[in-house]
Amino acid sequence: DVKVTQSSRYLVKRTGEKVFLECVQDMDHENMFWYRQDPGLGLRLIYFSYDVKMKEKGDIPEGYSVSREKKERFSLILESASTNQTSMYLCASSLPGQGYEQYFGPGTRLTVT
Amino acid sequence: KNQVEQSPQSLIILEGKNCTLQCNYTVSPFSNLRWYKQDTGRGPVSLTIMTFSENTKSNGRYTATLDADTKQSSLHITASQLSDSASYICVVSASSNYKLTFGKGTLLTVNP
Repeated sequence: DVKVTQSSRYLVKRTGEKVFLECVQDMDHENMFWYRQDPGLGLRLIYFSYDVKMKEKGDIPEGYSVSREKKERFSLILESASTNQTSMYLCASSLPGQGYEQYFGPGTRLTVT
Repeated sequence: KNQVEQSPQSLIILEGKNCTLQCNYTVSPFSNLRWYKQDTGRGPVSLTIMTFSENTKSNGRYTATLDADTKQSSLHITASQLSDSASYICVVSASSNYKLTFGKGTLLTVNP
C-alpha cells in the first residue's frame, strides 16, 4: 500500500529558529512535492523535486529551501522561521508524468510563535 | 491565469441524503481533473481522476462527472454517511507542466 510519512504531526517553533520538515515515501516515486495549506487559500506549491538533488521552485518558495539527497526523502527547510509561516505543511509524491496520482502525507501543523 | 472555483463553500446535509458539489475551471491546456477528500487535520486522499475523454467516473458512493466543453465537473455523493464529513477539493492538471491547480474546497458536514 502507498505510504507517505511526515516526521511530525504537530510542531511548535520560535521565530528565527531553523526548522526541518521531513517527508519519506516508500513507493519509489521520482516526483516529490511540498505544499502549504491555509484557510481560504487552498493548497499552494512551495517546491517540487523530480529526481535526487533536483528541485524547482513552486508558487511560494520565499523563505523556504529543500533538500533531496535520497530518492525516498524530501526535506523542507525554514531557514529562519517567521510567524507568517504558521501553516499546515503537506508532502506528496507521484510517478513522473501528468496522469499519475499524487499521494499525500498526513501533514505537519507548524506553529511559529 | 489558471483557476479552479468550487461551490458551495460549505454544505450541511442529513445522513442518508444525496448531495452534489460543483467545480468550474479555467486551466489550459487541460490534462486531467481530480477530486480529493480531506478529513480534518489529515492529508487529501484521491477519490477520482478523469481525463478529457471521460464523462463519468465512480468510486463507491462517489460519482464524478466532467464536461470538458463547459469546463465543469461535479461530485455526487449518494446516501451520505457521517464519515463523509470532510473537505472535498477539486484539482486540475495542465498538460503543459507538472503543476496542479487546487480549488479551495467544499466543506461538507453530514449530521445524524
